[in-house]
Amino acid sequence: AQSVSQHNHHVILSEAASLELGCNYSYGGTVNLFWYVQYPGQHLQLLLKYFSGDPLVKGIKGFEAEFIKSKFSFNLRKPSVQWSDTAEYFCAVNRPNFGNEKLTFGTGTRLTIIP
Amino acid sequence: NAGVTQTPKFRVLKTGQSMTLLCAQDMNHEYMYWYRQDPGMGLRLIHYSVGEGTTAKGEVPDGYNVSRLKKQNFLLGLESAAPSQTSVYFCASSPQIGGGNLEQYFGPGTRLTVT
Repeated sequence: AQSVSQHNHHVILSEAASLELGCNYSYGGTVNLFWYVQYPGQHLQLLLKYFSGDPLVKGIKGFEAEFIKSKFSFNLRKPSVQWSDTAEYFCAVNRPNFGNEKLTFGTGTRLTIIP
Repeated sequence: NAGVTQTPKFRVLKTGQSMTLLCAQDMNHEYMYWYRQDPGMGLRLIHYSVGEGTTAKGEVPDGYNVSRLKKQNFLLGLESAAPSQTSVYFCASSPQIGGGNLEQYFGPGTRLTVT
């Protein structure tokens, strides 16, 4: 069973639309959560991360994500997308008490923004 | 500061041939990783290393070997390439901060085709 789930495989939006990409994980206990972005033809880069504290974390380029422990979710949001947000987005989870040197990635969500 | 570099960028192999992919990082990171990226499957961890001279298996290690003789280099070997190993391979590195603070820095990728 997939331990990190991204149910939206491909999302198409118009510019200025609001975005929410889902990420759910199936681990109990303490988790650290990440969103990475891969722009066309480029390598992955970190968008934002959550370790502790405020469950609403803000990242680069106006993105934010909210950790809801009771729902095992870490959804990515942006109030108004731009054409340049076209990319593939990956959620990733680290379990610090179970081999804290590894990340488990979701299958990714391809986001296409129509000008 | 080049970050994480990968050699080569592209390669075409015939079934049964061998090759080595080289990853180098100049950030003095302890941890290094090899992933493969396939459509619809996200990133899957092949092997990783938590320090010079140490390696460990990831999620999909079969058909691959690795070595970390120097801290800055992590080599991925295919002894007898198979068409199923056609993929894009990404190397990543991460500092050993602890507590699951695993911001991974990715290389540009190697596109490998096995015919």
